Amino acid sequence: GQSLEQPSEVTAVEGAIVQINCTYQTSGFYGLSWYQQHDGGAPTFLSYNGLDGLEETGRFSSFLSRSDSYGYLLLQELQMKDSASYFCAVGRGFNKFYFGSGTKLNVKP
Amino acid sequence: DADVTQTPRNRITKTGKRIMLECSQTKGHDRMYWYRQDPGLGLRLIYYSFDVKDINKGEISDGYSVSRQAQAKFSLSLESAIPNQTALYFCATGPGGEMFDNEQFFGPGTRLTVL
Repeated sequence: GQSLEQPSEVTAVEGAIVQINCTYQTSGFYGLSWYQQHDGGAPTFLSYNGLDGLEETGRFSSFLSRSDSYGYLLLQELQMKDSASYFCAVGRGFNKFYFGSGTKLNVKP
Repeated sequence: DADVTQTPRNRITKTGKRIMLECSQTKGHDRMYWYRQDPGLGLRLIYYSFDVKDINKGEISDGYSVSRQAQAKFSLSLESAIPNQTALYFCATGPGGEMFDNEQFFGPGTRLTVL
């Protein structure tokens, strides 16, 4: 089977940096993706890590350590509009994706 | 115009009714997916299709069926709806071409309530 663990909720203030962790157990691992979902909206893709290391896209960065079965999403210079749920998703063979239960990020002024 | 559309956006139905959710995409993607989202459980894969002739079960396919009518259309059916199928349903597409669609594009979702 497979499992993904991420914190259910995180709170941070505007302008700060926040890290959302994701640990996984799965076979046939291809990579780790991150998605953002605002309340009532559709998930939207943020980043993907297929190899170990850090990927940076503007204010967002994502990290993967395959040996530790661990990844994280780093959000810098937090803005109010970053308040949303963030999901890690493990890709396995044949395009099967398994999503974590999501981390609700609350950004306070 | 949206690249991935879903109809209806909201639906209330009764136990035992047959219902179809439809998904259309203009992205030209080969791969299409159906997920359901329940509070606190994230997204779970119901079915996926790599092309018109290819249909595969996901994690939770029991009680559901799908049809890939064309490259652009992928519909999800509940043959006999039950209350625990009340959820938010998302269709998604992936470009294919690689072994792994690291990015998927989601429709706006269909909120289904089964009474």
